[in-house]
Amino acid sequence: DAKTTQPPSMDCAEGRAANLPCNHSTISGNEYVYWYRQIHSQGPQYIIHGLKNNETNEMASLIITEDRKSSTLILPHATLRDTAVYYCIVRVAFSGGYNKLIFGAGTRLAVHP
Amino acid sequence: DGGITQSPKYLFRKEGQNVTLSCEQNLNHDAMYWYRQDPGQGLRLIYYSQIVNDFQKGDIAEGYSVSREKKESFPLTVTSAQKNPTAFYLCASRSGSHTGELFFGEGSRLTVL
Repeated sequence: DAKTTQPPSMDCAEGRAANLPCNHSTISGNEYVYWYRQIHSQGPQYIIHGLKNNETNEMASLIITEDRKSSTLILPHATLRDTAVYYCIVRVAFSGGYNKLIFGAGTRLAVHP
Repeated sequence: DGGITQSPKYLFRKEGQNVTLSCEQNLNHDAMYWYRQDPGQGLRLIYYSQIVNDFQKGDIAEGYSVSREKKESFPLTVTSAQKNPTAFYLCASRSGSHTGELFFGEGSRLTVL
């Protein structure tokens, strides 16, 4: 599985958009980009995933560059409850065999009033 | 509601004692996972199971054991052979969709006294 690089920490003002970058320059053509987040002392929560196209759901938007070597998770209107560690992971889709999600250190996002 | 339940949430153990952490899911997922998380670190895979009566070692299986006798249950035993067992333990199951998102429990925090 391709490795990812994320900044260790970011700050964002409440109500503003939070843009969390992720580099995955060695991503393969069949690998998806996943985002999870972990609020302190809780289990990680799935946010969104994508392959090539930009994706949006009720939680966030995922922007993947055309060459797929990087992506950005966008929280359009950050709230204090969005303060968490955000993990960017790349992995092949489930094919019937074992697929391991590798969680690195992630980006610690602090949303402040 | 469907989900993953881990128990106990907090556990204290004396050195030399085995302890078993419970993980139950009612999501009808085939695959289940155990991760360990140390302070400020990402998640490391201990064991995983893709189907009942089958399980495989992850990256840090030494000192741990698991069983998968029922689809909905995947208990983890931390044995006395685990040299540094104090950690936050997370159980997850994987959806059967093509992209296989993980659903996590709330975690169990084990402290060895």
